[in-house]
Amino acid sequence: NAGVTQTPKFRVLKTGQSMTLLCAQDMNHEYMYWYRQDPGMGLRLIHYSVGEGTTAKGEVPDGYNVSRLKKQNFLLGLESAAPSQTSVYFCASSLAGDHLDNEQFFGPGTRLTVL
Amino acid sequence: AQKITQTQPGMFVQEKEAVTLDCTYDTSDPSYGLFWYKQPSSGEMIFLIYQGSYDQQNATEGRYSLNFQKARKSANLVISASQLGDSAMYFCAMREYLTDSWGKLQFGAGTQVVVTP
Repeated sequence: NAGVTQTPKFRVLKTGQSMTLLCAQDMNHEYMYWYRQDPGMGLRLIHYSVGEGTTAKGEVPDGYNVSRLKKQNFLLGLESAAPSQTSVYFCASSLAGDHLDNEQFFGPGTRLTVL
Repeated sequence: AQKITQTQPGMFVQEKEAVTLDCTYDTSDPSYGLFWYKQPSSGEMIFLIYQGSYDQQNATEGRYSLNFQKARKSANLVISASQLGDSAMYFCAMREYLTDSWGKLQFGAGTQVVVTP
């Protein structure tokens, strides 16, 4: 049981390049989330998904796109990377339902640098 | 508007002593949950403790306890008998139920804790 995994772990891009971050979970969770972490700002939600084939915008969605074609995978895409997207990206997943205490399980993070 | 406020950017604590990390929150939702996560230097996010808005008692998990003062909208984390391995960044987060039923968490900026021998 690997939990939540993310690939790649590190990446350096040039401005304007594109890339996709992959998140996979093996816990059969319905909900998945992408966050970015910047110094002094905690984690901010980029996009999220409440089920296969559905996605929605979070707090800071501009410059990113996502897809959830399979329940276990949640992809985050940068079409044209900008230096402002230099950050650590975390994927998380949780059970669906009304339980307030549903814990979010986090992946190990991807450190992205855009030059 | 910032919904989770952690006013202590950094703290030093001596080994074996207790430390309290402050967290205040802002919500008009009567149903909400508060979470604390630990992020060591290796980067992963580790869930520590949860407190629900309707819970009558303060949550405890081993050396972690939550000092929940609902009227003051504060949910301070207390770490007792600090260990060197407690050195990490600590995040407070909130989930609102009625306002947002999709389980999204809102995080504070974090508090960096350094435990000294």
